[in-house]
Amino acid sequence: RKEVEQDPGPFNVPEGATVAFNCTYSNSASQSFFWYRQDCRKEPKLLMSVYSSGNEDGRFTAQLNRASQYISLLIRDSKLSDSATYLCVVNPLTGGGNKLTFGTGTQLKVEL
Amino acid sequence: GAVVSQHPSRVICKSGTSVKIECRSLDFQATTMFWYRQFPKQSLMLMATSNEGSKATYEQGVEKDKFLINHASLTLSTLTVTSAHPEDSSFYICSARDRWKSSYNEQFFGPGTRLTVL
Repeated sequence: RKEVEQDPGPFNVPEGATVAFNCTYSNSASQSFFWYRQDCRKEPKLLMSVYSSGNEDGRFTAQLNRASQYISLLIRDSKLSDSATYLCVVNPLTGGGNKLTFGTGTQLKVEL
Repeated sequence: GAVVSQHPSRVICKSGTSVKIECRSLDFQATTMFWYRQFPKQSLMLMATSNEGSKATYEQGVEKDKFLINHASLTLSTLTVTSAHPEDSSFYICSARDRWKSSYNEQFFGPGTRLTVL
């Protein structure tokens, strides 16, 4: 079983739609969770951290379910510029300086 | 703030040559930097953790004698791919953590280096 699993997609949605991505992780001791965005042939960029209580940043909402080892990202009112690959990222340890484990990413294509 | 640069952005070389990639944190100090590799349509795979002033820690399956890492200062880590072969062709990305923000796990990524070995 992969450490971090995501549906690769692609998710093709019309502009303005709401879309949700899910991610599961295998290490129950994982402590930190993130969503990164990666554009084609570019480096990943942090979209948002995921907190136990869930968190929202504008049109983006992230949720964490520790019992099910499951993370989600909801994008409302999709924009063309949201087209990218969304990477679920897990850090299994507390504190700083430790490794990140990346999922393979979910590709989103927002269309007119 | 929190900018990481990589040089070169793209390199094409002949099989058997060595290639050095630089990773710099431009506006912060990084005691720890990470080197990743990404093949097409695959996830980023951590190759090694680079520690300033000490030896790098390599992930299982990564040859330390082939991928030489030097982290000689708080703002620079280098990855040298020695005797490169076509199967080493990949997108190499570095990241860095701000030494003064150790309570956070955020890593700042460089723009990546695309290596093509002919």
